[in-house]
Amino acid sequence: DGGITQSPKYLFRKEGQNVTLSCEQNLNHDAMYWYRQDPGQGLRLIYYSQIVNDFQKGDIAEGYSVSREKKESFPLTVTSAQKNPTAFYLCASSSGGTANYGYTFGSGTRLTVV
Amino acid sequence: AQSVTQPDIHITVSEGASLELRCNYSYGATPYLFWYVQSPGQGLQLLLKYFSGDTLVQGIKGFEAEFKRSQSSFNLRKPSVHWSDAAEYFCAVGANTNAGKSTFGDGTTLTVKP
Repeated sequence: DGGITQSPKYLFRKEGQNVTLSCEQNLNHDAMYWYRQDPGQGLRLIYYSQIVNDFQKGDIAEGYSVSREKKESFPLTVTSAQKNPTAFYLCASSSGGTANYGYTFGSGTRLTVV
Repeated sequence: AQSVTQPDIHITVSEGASLELRCNYSYGATPYLFWYVQSPGQGLQLLLKYFSGDTLVQGIKGFEAEFKRSQSSFNLRKPSVHWSDAAEYFCAVGANTNAGKSTFGDGTTLTVKP
């Protein structure tokens, strides 16, 4: 079945360390997105990409970086510059290069700073 | 800028009772509207979407939503709630002119009493 795979499910980061969250989709979707979710809050957009080798900052891009070298993959790196990285991270994709068809989400990665 | 307000943080209903979750949006043109559901520790699943046409849209799991332009609302309804409907529900708005991004509300947590 087609879908989005996020790994790992749980991730622990030490202070000052960079970590990379994986997101892979086999839906042949053009657009991919990274959202951050904090308790009691909605989803906030970190980065998005509508085509390969191109991506844009979302509302809270500081301290994060991404790449889009393949259509299927959109990894997110949480850098040491991100001061409060503990959160639930969700990757999503959408056909047609736009979110207006609705998103398909992965099952998320929970990142904790230790 | 587009925005979404979900006025109810938490709603409790009895199993078998009807349900209505409120959503108000702000956007200058015709919006693209979505409802998603999230089980604890999981990603979000698309329940239904509205682009144009009939203002009453049907979704999965017996849910429906009605678009009311005059009230800037897109409320989610279900005639009879099942215990398995307990989850968090998110309303989202997207727009053609916004490079394919969706903006999410803060969510409504639904508890179902036996």
